[in-house]
Amino acid sequence: EVQLVESGGGLVQPGGSLRLSCAASGFTLSTYEMNWVRQAPGKGLEWVSHTPKSSSSFYYTDSVKGRFTMSRDNAKNSVFLQMNSLRAEDTAVYYCVRYNNYWGQGTLVTVSS
Amino acid sequence: DDVLTQSPLSLLVTLGQPASISCRSSQSLVYSDGDTYLHWFQQRPGQSPRRLIYRVSNRDSGVPDRFSGSGSGSDFTLKISRVEAEDVGVYYCMQGTLWPKTFGQGTKVEIK
Repeated sequence: EVQLVESGGGLVQPGGSLRLSCAASGFTLSTYEMNWVRQAPGKGLEWVSHTPKSSSSFYYTDSVKGRFTMSRDNAKNSVFLQMNSLRAEDTAVYYCVRYNNYWGQGTLVTVSS
Repeated sequence: DDVLTQSPLSLLVTLGQPASISCRSSQSLVYSDGDTYLHWFQQRPGQSPRRLIYRVSNRDSGVPDRFSGSGSGSDFTLKISRVEAEDVGVYYCMQGTLWPKTFGQGTKVEIK
């Protein structure tokens, strides 16, 4: 059974950093496209970052470029999202998504002083 | 960025009646391989999104056949033939043809 479990969310001050983790099970992560998608409270869905299957390339939406870094550790079957210089508008539930058809339960990031 | 415009943004439907949601793209969503990467998702209250339809008209496993998708190019539709109570939630279209991938604003479906 495919499972994606996010962790690492929490409350952080503006300008701070957080590292989100997504532990995958039930499949070999390296052979699938992986994504981070976020949803601000009461709002819609926004694609944040993406890595194609069997690739070491990463792509980001403009609003997070230069601040967020996605990575994957195939040995740990995990993907990560390092988030720096956080802003209030980054407050959201962050979902780890395999392609677009398997979603984790999400982890809440709150950026506030 | 490609813009996906959904309408209506809110639907109040009587149980057993049909519902239809439109999704229009600012660009053609036909990819160079000939496929159209337009998908539909359902998000029930308090849950993660769940894909219902992939590549315009293909129903995901376990999705009731009252859900159907249609369309081409830049104009797409999700139809629910007979709305049931469990269909309450927000429905999103999403395009994976162009980067960045984008979602529509969402359509909230409620029961009258």
